Amino acid sequence: AQKITQTQPGMFVQEKEAVTLDCTYDTSDQSYGLFWYKQPSSGEMIFLIYQGSYDEQNATEGRYSLNFQKARKSANLVISASQLGDSAMYFCAMRETTSGTYKYIFGTGTRLKVLA
Amino acid sequence: DGGITQSPKYLFRKEGQKVTLSCEQNLNHDAMYWYRQDPGQGLRLIYYSQIVNDFQKGDIAEGYSVSREKKESFPLTVTSAQKNPTAFYLCASSIDRGTAEAFFGQGTRLTVV
Repeated sequence: AQKITQTQPGMFVQEKEAVTLDCTYDTSDQSYGLFWYKQPSSGEMIFLIYQGSYDEQNATEGRYSLNFQKARKSANLVISASQLGDSAMYFCAMRETTSGTYKYIFGTGTRLKVLA
Repeated sequence: DGGITQSPKYLFRKEGQKVTLSCEQNLNHDAMYWYRQDPGQGLRLIYYSQIVNDFQKGDIAEGYSVSREKKESFPLTVTSAQKNPTAFYLCASSIDRGTAEAFFGQGTRLTVV
């Protein structure tokens, strides 16, 4: 079965600094997708960035970039120039395909606190 | 505006009472999902559905039931068999494409007293 591992329960970063949130995954599929979501204290899940297994370049979306190392099965999220509003839970996820059906599996998350 | 609506936002029930959480989407998505989130934990899949009148159990389906009579709706019922139902419940939907992200509702916080 596929699995997502986030080993950092909590992280602190100084405002305007960059921070990397770790994510490793386990899958035997050749084709897969990796996602990062942000969950503020309000509880909503906000999609941040996507990386496909066949994408040759690392995905970027504004201040978010994904450091994708396929051989190491890691998909770390990098947030540049951290802002106070970045304080939230961050989840790494993978879309799993089983018998033609899709489902998303999530890691346990990393709580990021941005310090002023 | 297109999106996913979960209602209610907060729900209180007495122990042993059955309760149904609503999830409606107007995104024309085929796939819908229910996740449970406990404090400090990730999202665990309860049930998911790819098409109308069909659904599959996720990792923690015991004590829950769902129906998918309409494409737009995927209600979740928490039965008395669920031993610890107090949690935050998130509904999501997606198109049936491998690169597609899931869109989430605002969530329902269920408290059983």
